[in-house]
Amino acid sequence: DAGVIQSPRHEVTEMGQEVTLRCKPISGHNSLFWYRQTMMRGLELLIYFNNNVPIDDSGMPEDRFSAKMPNASFSTLKIQPSEPRDSAVYFCASSFRDRGGKDTQYFGPGTRLTVL
Amino acid sequence: QKEVEQDPGPLSVPEGAIVSLNCTYSNSAFQYFMWYRQYSRKGPELLMYTYSSGNKEDGRFTAQVDKSSKYISLFIRDSQPSDSATYLCAMGRAGNNRKLIWGLGTSLAVNP
Repeated sequence: DAGVIQSPRHEVTEMGQEVTLRCKPISGHNSLFWYRQTMMRGLELLIYFNNNVPIDDSGMPEDRFSAKMPNASFSTLKIQPSEPRDSAVYFCASSFRDRGGKDTQYFGPGTRLTVL
Repeated sequence: QKEVEQDPGPLSVPEGAIVSLNCTYSNSAFQYFMWYRQYSRKGPELLMYTYSSGNKEDGRFTAQVDKSSKYISLFIRDSQPSDSATYLCAMGRAGNNRKLIWGLGTSLAVNP
């Protein structure tokens, strides 16, 4: 398997523009997570889906952020309008829980977002 | 107070040293304890996974969980320059909640 795939790998945009980040989870995984990582705040969970349904979006900073998972193999995170404080690395991760209850999250390579 | 506390370092050691990384937590509901390793400009990858209290060993790595003290540790023996990375602790609850709570990460440099 190719692992979790994210695109784009780098994004530079101007304040006020719409940004869409994309993620393809590992086939067979039923949970998908969107994280944001900064030096100051570390790794923060924004939202996670279970079987394509949003379960916990309490980490989404504000209404400018939205996420969708239309099917088991694709998810998007959208920021509209973008602001300089949104600059960070955004990770997508997927997981499945095995019969023993072990639940391992596998991370993609991340999207490095810079908002000017 | 954050749910999980982790000293960000940086920690610098000579090759061959024993490294000790630690996290403390405040929520007694955590049952799963993990250590992830993150190389520069890469995503985190799972290194060690422990359920409840006790020790787990995998090669040069040992994970310890002390639930009574709400304290977890990762030990690296015979550290190598390739161990230079950021190490993040993460914790989760049993049941259907898949959400993990993360430490800030400790930056480790192993010098040849």
